[in-house]
Formats: sequence, C-alpha cells, structure tokens
Amino acid sequence: EVQLVESGGGLVQPGGSLRLSCAASGFTFSDHYMDWVRQAPGKGLEWVGRARNKAESYSTDYGASVKGRFTVSRDDSKNSLYLQMNSLKTEDTAIYYCTRRYCDSTSCYNEAFNIWGQGTMVTVSS
Amino acid sequence: QSVLTQPPSVSAAPGQKVTISCSGSTSNIGNNYVSWFQQLPETAPKLLIYDNSKRPSGIPDRFSGSKSGTSATLGITGLQTGDEADYYCGTWDSSLSAVVFGGGTKVTVL
Repeated sequence: EVQLVESGGGLVQPGGSLRLSCAASGFTFSDHYMDWVRQAPGKGLEWVGRARNKAESYSTDYGASVKGRFTVSRDDSKNSLYLQMNSLKTEDTAIYYCTRRYCDSTSCYNEAFNIWGQGTMVTVSS
Repeated sequence: QSVLTQPPSVSAAPGQKVTISCSGSTSNIGNNYVSWFQQLPETAPKLLIYDNSKRPSGIPDRFSGSKSGTSATLGITGLQTGDEADYYCGTWDSSLSAVVFGGGTKVTVL
C-alpha cells in the first residue's frame, strides 16, 4: 500500500524551530519529487516547497511566504522527506501535508498530487 | 490573495450540474497543466483532474476538466450530496517557480 505518514508537529513559540518528517512506503521513493502543502485553520491550500529527485539533482523550490526560513530535504536511504522550519511565525500555524505526484504507466505529472499523508498540526503561539 | 481566482461558492440541486472557474495568467494556467482537488471536511485533498482534463483511475466521469487560455473549469454533473466539499485548482507558476492554488470553492448541494 502506498502511504505517507507525517510526524513532528506540535506547539512552538514564535521565533522557534521545528522539524517535520514524512515516512514513505509502498513505492520507489527515490524516483519521485516530493512536496509539502499546508492548510491554515479554515483556510485554503498553500504550497510550501518541493524536493526533486536525484535525476534533477535534488533541487528545491519554495513558496514565497517560507523562502529563506524553511528547508525541504530528503533521505532516499530512509524513504523520508523532511521540512526544517525556522523563525516560525504565528501565520505558519497550519496542518502540514506531505504529498506525492500522480504517475501512470507512462509518465508522472508534477502538480497532480494524488498521494497525501494524514497531515501533522503545527501551532505557533506564545 | 491567491494567484488563481475561484468563486467562493457554488450551489445546485441534486442531479444538476455545477461548474467552477479558475482564472490565472500566462505564467501559470496559460502555459502549464491544471489539476483539480476535492477536499471533504476534515480530510486530506483528493486528486480529481490532472493535465487539465484527465481523470485518475477511480474518479467517475461525472467530474470533468477543461482549459482555455488562462482559465480552467471543473464540471460536476449528476450532483450528489457526497459532492459537498471544497474544490481547489492548482498549477505551476513559471514566473514564481512555485506551485499555486486557487482560494477554493465550496460546493453546496441544495
């Protein structure tokens, strides 16, 4: 079964740091781009960042609101994706989802996120 | 303020059809593929449409997608109470080098 399981969420003070993890199983993790998407309470989806695969030199991209504060990384030997969050702000409070693109027998489709974890809640508050 | 613009809500009676628009620009919808997602309350989003108009296996053909210029549209026919959810469009923005989403549209079955 293809599965993504996030962990590491919790309560942190403004200005603090937190590291989220996403454990992948049921597919060849190293083949895939992996993304983080978040959703603030009662709000819409917001893309956080992406870690591409080895073929794309593990390059990364970030959403404007987190660039310079958050870092996406991956460890293919552990089938894991990470999100290091520094200088946290109250507006970073959200459910953070790990997600993978859809692939069929012929291709993969980068923004077609069809595998999602259950999400992990991050609350930034004093 | 989302990069992609969706109506906040649409509604229709059971069995009827609704369409949800997603408006962008040449840097996103105009030159990239659009995906659509359904999010039921308290659950993770679910992929409905990719590459503007394709459905992943298991998605009924009541859901359809199209794109014209810098706008995309999601259609839902034969509306069911189980379709009450939030719907989001998403795509790559080549100028921002980022994935962008619409603000979401709440579908209500009257």
